[in-house]
Amino acid sequence: GAVVSQHPSRVICKSGTSVKIECRSLDFQATTMFWYRQFPKQSLMLMATSNEGSKATYEQGVEKDKFLINHASLTLSTLTVTSAHPEDSSFYICSATGTLYILRSEQFFGPGTRLTVL
Amino acid sequence: QKEVEQDPGPLSVPEGAIVSLNCTYSNSAFQYFMWYRQYSRKGPELLMYTYSSGNKEDGRFTAQVDKSSKYISLFIRDSQPSDSATYLCAMSVSGSARQLTFGSGTQLTVLP
Repeated sequence: GAVVSQHPSRVICKSGTSVKIECRSLDFQATTMFWYRQFPKQSLMLMATSNEGSKATYEQGVEKDKFLINHASLTLSTLTVTSAHPEDSSFYICSATGTLYILRSEQFFGPGTRLTVL
Repeated sequence: QKEVEQDPGPLSVPEGAIVSLNCTYSNSAFQYFMWYRQYSRKGPELLMYTYSSGNKEDGRFTAQVDKSSKYISLFIRDSQPSDSATYLCAMSVSGSARQLTFGSGTQLTVLP
């Protein structure tokens, strides 16, 4: 399967600061990338979907001004959590799919980023 | 009511046991069904993929779909400690990877 990396794996920040998380597809062109949030013992909650070169599509209830998503190239998407607060502490996971995989419903997930806001 | 329901567990079994994991769903339009395995502090990885009703086997894993009952299962034979993980079911109407709906996951521990 294809490989997706995510950086950093863990970040601790103070309330009010902004945090950027990178998601990279290492061996395929990711035409679509997804950002999920996962709370302990809960499922993946889709936050937004981004297509390369286009604005991200946010799910209902997700503040687009707080969670800035950029998908500037076919291998990189970034999620910036602006003015982070303790309630933003969570596990953020990206996934990616490309032309070869999309019709097989296959998304390839990154290893996730644990964000802790103090 | 959630679109996809999955018993969160936790489920503990002895090594060698047969494990049965299940999901029910309410949207009869779902046609594509997947099982993902997620190890602690890692992203999910695709384990099984099936279309419509029927069974699919891959090594020790068997995925079963019963669309008439809106019920899917994942069976693990001869379970190993390395199978300890959270298992998430996922479903799609169109088959497009853009539209997956996930269950909440079942945490499985296989005891040596």
